Amino acid sequence: AQKVTQAQTEISVVEKEDVTLDCVYETRDTTYYLFWYKQPPSGELVFLIRRNSFDEQNEISGRYSWNFQKSTSSFNFTITASQVVDSAVYFCALTPYNQGGKLIFGQGTELSVKP
Amino acid sequence: DTGVSQDPRHKITKRGQNVTFRCDPISEHNRLYWYRQTLGQGPEFLTYFQNEAQLEKSRLLSDRFSAERPKGSFSTLEIQRTEQGDSAMYLCASSSGTGDYEQYFGPGTRLTVT
Repeated sequence: AQKVTQAQTEISVVEKEDVTLDCVYETRDTTYYLFWYKQPPSGELVFLIRRNSFDEQNEISGRYSWNFQKSTSSFNFTITASQVVDSAVYFCALTPYNQGGKLIFGQGTELSVKP
Repeated sequence: DTGVSQDPRHKITKRGQNVTFRCDPISEHNRLYWYRQTLGQGPEFLTYFQNEAQLEKSRLLSDRFSAERPKGSFSTLEIQRTEQGDSAMYLCASSSGTGDYEQYFGPGTRLTVT
């Protein structure tokens, strides 16, 4: 069975602080993809990043960075110098390879960035 | 290229009524997915299509739910004899199906059953 756990339900930070959102997953598949999505108050899920299980190289995109560690089944997301516009619910998701692409989501972490 | 669109954005219905939602995917995306999201939870997979073929249905999709994608373009999701437990946000997503599985979501249809 596959499962994604985001243990942090809510995080509150002050603008310009760095914040890390945790994601731990479970799967028996050896090949899979991991994703992060952002859901702002408007409600539409916005794709942020995809990582496949073969590629453990960390990625940085502007203020965003992702740390994938297969050994601990974690795919954590860090926002550097947070801004008020980063306030949203962030979801981590998993899909096994070659099973149609259906996403298994965690429960989400609500990030509140205060000015 | 326009994104995924869904109609209506909001629907309020009385228990026992039937409702139908529409999703228009990104053009040329051959995979289309439906998810349901309740308050405070992550989206849960309901079903998906590859072109016009419905390839998988979740156990969440009871007999009262039916989805179609008649010409491999837009899709509809119908709920018959709605129940209060059906109140949720219904999300549609599409992907190119080339193997990277990146899904792009629509704005959702919020259903309230009174």
